[in-house]
Amino acid sequence: DIQMTQSPSTLSASVGDRVTVTCRASQNINTHLNWYQQKPGKAPKLLIYAASSLQSGVPSRFSGSGSGTDFTLTISSLEVEDFAIYYCQQTSSTPVTFGPGTKVDIK
Amino acid sequence: QVQLVESGGGLVKPGGSLRLSCAASGFTFTDYYMSWIRQAPGKGLEWISYISGSTHTIYYVDSVKGRFTISRDNAQNSVSLQLNSLRPEDTAVYYCARSRGWYRPFDSWGQGTLVTVSS
Repeated sequence: DIQMTQSPSTLSASVGDRVTVTCRASQNINTHLNWYQQKPGKAPKLLIYAASSLQSGVPSRFSGSGSGTDFTLTISSLEVEDFAIYYCQQTSSTPVTFGPGTKVDIK
Repeated sequence: QVQLVESGGGLVKPGGSLRLSCAASGFTFTDYYMSWIRQAPGKGLEWISYISGSTHTIYYVDSVKGRFTISRDNAQNSVSLQLNSLRPEDTAVYYCARSRGWYRPFDSWGQGTLVTVSS
């Protein structure tokens, strides 16, 4: 199985900050990497697919990059509604696997 | 609009069984793979099973193989997950989600249903 890691596990930031979350795969997954946002008590929501494509309806302050084993999710200017947990997911091979999550909280 | 609504969760004793259902609406159901993903309390996401639109392709994660069975009824636009031989570590919120293929992202999720396995 492909193992996914994320860093940091928790990130404290302020509204307006530029935030970057990193995801690493245990082997080459090309660009088969997706990002989700989850708020407390809610289902995850797809933000970015295929490493860098913005899902319809997602604000343009979210962006993704990377290929191979290293990926990043960037929020260009943090809004109040962005405080949440972010998960990466690989869909290069089954079983599809998720990273452990990065919690973005208020500094 | 796309809707996925899970039901069937509850409290069950170790070794017991439960059947989860997910009712889909607002899209062409047979065009999509359907998956079940679970999240233990305070933990991350674990994909556990998918079924293709035609029902010909099914896959399970090792931890549930032989205990859980996924199925779908394309006439009723629903997908089910039969959970047998339940263990305390199966306690989680179970989500159904759709994707265009097993290798595609989950672009819509249900609200989840809680399964608690405890004596």
